[in-house]
Amino acid sequence: GAGVSQTPSNKVTEKGKYVELRCDPISGHTALYWYRQSLGQGPEFLIYFQGTGAADDSGLPNDRFFAVRPEGSVSTLKIQRTERGDSAVYLCASSLYSGTDTQYFGPGTRLTVL
Amino acid sequence: GESVGLHLPTLSVQEGDNSIINCAYSNSASDYFIWYKQESGKGPQFIIDIRSNMDKRQGQRVTVLLNKTVKHLSLQIAATQPGDSAVYFCAENTAPGAGTASKLTFGTGTRLQVTL
Repeated sequence: GAGVSQTPSNKVTEKGKYVELRCDPISGHTALYWYRQSLGQGPEFLIYFQGTGAADDSGLPNDRFFAVRPEGSVSTLKIQRTERGDSAVYLCASSLYSGTDTQYFGPGTRLTVL
Repeated sequence: GESVGLHLPTLSVQEGDNSIINCAYSNSASDYFIWYKQESGKGPQFIIDIRSNMDKRQGQRVTVLLNKTVKHLSLQIAATQPGDSAVYFCAENTAPGAGTASKLTFGTGTRLQVTL
């Protein structure tokens, strides 16, 4: 079956611009996660959704970052006034439920802020 | 803060040999651990997991060992193949359980290079 998909695969933008990154989780998965991975590092947690609600957004670095999941399926990560330090690979994962259910990752969106 | 780390950044093994990748964790409250494999340009791929009430778990060609006394986790890969070349991450879930938040904390990763 289809795995987690993310679009776009690459995004290049200029400092100060607004970007949206999309995640399509595995069908039927109720939990969705966003992580950010810098070069040579492990992924860092950003936010977790259970259904439509953000159950834990403690990893969002500041108020320029926001994520939504209006219908409990597709999620969009939104970054306002992008900065060069936002450049990273943004990974999305989903699991059937939360807790110890396996998190399956998408291929990521590589964001480059010039 | 609490963290998950790895002892070796790069491990080089010959094809057919066994590989051992180590990981130290510092959060004694963690009771669920996962190993992921990440190939270049791809997202992390689940390999195997283990709960803290277990010392060992085996999968296909892989074994995870957990030593809670010294907070150490290892991944053993038997008969390493060229396709095993990748970066391996250990991760801990500090809030397992149905209905609870479950963010993973990853280490920095170990690169496994398989030589012919």
